[in-house]
Amino acid sequence: AQSVAQPEDQVNVAEGNPLTVKCTYSVSGNPYLFWYVQYPNRGLQFLLKYITGDNLVKGSYGFEAEFNKSQTSFHLKKPSALVSDSALYFCAVRDIKSGFQKLVFGTGTRLLVSP
Amino acid sequence: GAVVSQHPSWVICKSGTSVKIECRSLDFQATTMFWYRQFPKQSLMLMATSNEGSKATYEQGVEKDKFLINHASLTLSTLTVTSAHPEDSSFYICSASGTFRRASYEQYFGPGTRLTVT
Repeated sequence: AQSVAQPEDQVNVAEGNPLTVKCTYSVSGNPYLFWYVQYPNRGLQFLLKYITGDNLVKGSYGFEAEFNKSQTSFHLKKPSALVSDSALYFCAVRDIKSGFQKLVFGTGTRLLVSP
Repeated sequence: GAVVSQHPSWVICKSGTSVKIECRSLDFQATTMFWYRQFPKQSLMLMATSNEGSKATYEQGVEKDKFLINHASLTLSTLTVTSAHPEDSSFYICSASGTFRRASYEQYFGPGTRLTVT
């Protein structure tokens, strides 16, 4: 079965420092990977996706993610964190075995950026 | 583009009553809609998947008679929580998938509906 794991419940970083939110995946076949962000009492906002091609994927709000096949990882990164980046981040993988193209989400990582 | 709306954004109802939540795709045709439930500080749990014009497919453990899903058109799906109880209080999020800029595999999420049952 397709799955993703987010090993950190929370990541703390100071504003201006680089941030990394970790995600590892377990899939059969080629992975279709996504990152979403959720602000309090809001739905999910799409940040970026990896389907194929360049291993470094650039997304919204200055975020990027690096697909690493050998380490089965898809970590989310940003060179310089902002306080406004504080939110809940979800990694997800598309369940290709599902005829309805379901997404399987990780447990989420709360990012806290301090001023 | 690819905007999904939900209505209402929050609702409070009394135990035993039914509540309907609407999910609309505003600028694309959603052939598939998904309904999720999210408990505080937890991930999204997929409840059901619906294709336009056909019955919803429910995930294991989700009561289909309690959570009625209708996907009558390519832009509207509804979730009705029947005979709601306090344990049904949660944040309900819908997403829609369809042909938008050729990206038929992406899900676009609504802003969510906070349901509180008293």
